[in-house]
Amino acid sequence: DIQMTQSPSTLSASVGDRVTITCRASQSISSWLAWYQQKPGKAPKVLIYKASSLESGVPSRFSGSGSGTEFTLTISSLQPDDFATYYCQQYNSYWTFGQGTKVEIK
Amino acid sequence: EVQVLESGGGLVQPGGSLRLSCAASGFTFSSYAMSWVRQAPGKGLEWVSTFSGSGGSTYYADSVKGRFTISRDNSKNTLYLQMHSLRAEDTAVYYCAKNYGSDPGGAFDIWGQGTMVTVSS
Repeated sequence: DIQMTQSPSTLSASVGDRVTITCRASQSISSWLAWYQQKPGKAPKVLIYKASSLESGVPSRFSGSGSGTEFTLTISSLQPDDFATYYCQQYNSYWTFGQGTKVEIK
Repeated sequence: EVQVLESGGGLVQPGGSLRLSCAASGFTFSSYAMSWVRQAPGKGLEWVSTFSGSGGSTYYADSVKGRFTISRDNSKNTLYLQMHSLRAEDTAVYYCAKNYGSDPGGAFDIWGQGTMVTVSS
């Protein structure tokens, strides 16, 4: 089974900050990685698929990069609506989520 | 509008059974893989099962294999999850999600609002 490890687990940041979340796979997953945003009591929402492709309608301040085993999600300038929990997901072999990164207000 | 809507959650005793349904609309249901993802209270997301959009392939997480069965009725645009031998650790919000593709389907682009399953005596 492929394990996904996100870091950090919690991130404190201010509006306007550049934020980076890392996701590591236990083995190579090529570019078969997605990022999701989830707010309390709501369903997840896809932000990025295939490591770096921005889902339609998602603000351009969100970007993804990486391949193989190491990936990053970057928010170029954090907005009030971005405080949420973010999950990476591999879909190279079945599907596995990372444990999540909570982005909270500093 | 593309959407999926889950139903069927509720309170069930340990060892009991429950069937979840997911009604889809706004897209050609038969062309896409469909999945179930769950989230235990205060925990992260866990993939549960996927049914391909073609060929009839099914995939299960080890934690539910042999107890849960995923199925779909393309004539009714509906996905199902039949759950047997339920345990306390199956307590979660269960989300239905549409995959980007057909088989195995890739990531999940459309999610329902979720349905709560509570396993308790």
